[in-house]
Amino acid sequence: GENVEQHPSTLSVQEGDSAVIKCTYSDSASNYFPWYKQELGKRPQLIIDIRSNVGEKKDQRIAVTLNKTAKHFSLHITETQPEDSAVYFCAASPSSGYALNFGKGTSLLVTP
Amino acid sequence: DAGVTQSPTHLIKTRGQQVTLRCSPKSGHDTVSWYQQALGQGPQFIFQYYEEEERQRGNFPDRFSGHQFPNYSSELNVNALLLGDSALYLCASSFFSGSYEQYFGPGTRLTVT
Repeated sequence: GENVEQHPSTLSVQEGDSAVIKCTYSDSASNYFPWYKQELGKRPQLIIDIRSNVGEKKDQRIAVTLNKTAKHFSLHITETQPEDSAVYFCAASPSSGYALNFGKGTSLLVTP
Repeated sequence: DAGVTQSPTHLIKTRGQQVTLRCSPKSGHDTVSWYQQALGQGPQFIFQYYEEEERQRGNFPDRFSGHQFPNYSSELNVNALLLGDSALYLCASSFFSGSYEQYFGPGTRLTVT
């Protein structure tokens, strides 16, 4: 089955700096790659996603890049703010609406 | 427009007991997936229901079973509870013929003692 690895497990940055979280996946059939943000005690919230026919997608301060050849994708957050502090999960799915296979998460701390 | 809702919020059960968790999908969604999230881990896929049938199943024992009703709501049942079943159980809904996005409910925190 699909195996998603995520790094780093913890990340601490100063407010205003950029943060990068990286994931690799094993199943070449995966074609959908969402990122979720989970604040303490709350539900995972979809913040951005990318499909295999696109190499990069951006939404304001958040961007995701995908390298299908190398089977890795990354989340980039620019101009970080304290409210960006949360656990971020990457996931991969082989087809539309099927199971999401999650990484173990990255705990991001943005200090003022 | 209500999002995904789950009940109950918290539940405490004794080892060996049975539990039923409930999920109502986001309006317009017809597919429900269940995930188990242990403390400090990413969600793990249990199974997915569409048209009242189990469409895909993850690596969970038969003690975990589910059901989807005609109104698309769903139940997750766990029999013979083990201490290791203590976790946050998340329901996610999506639209089978639409986009890929899955939207999560707030979860049910299950504690097995």
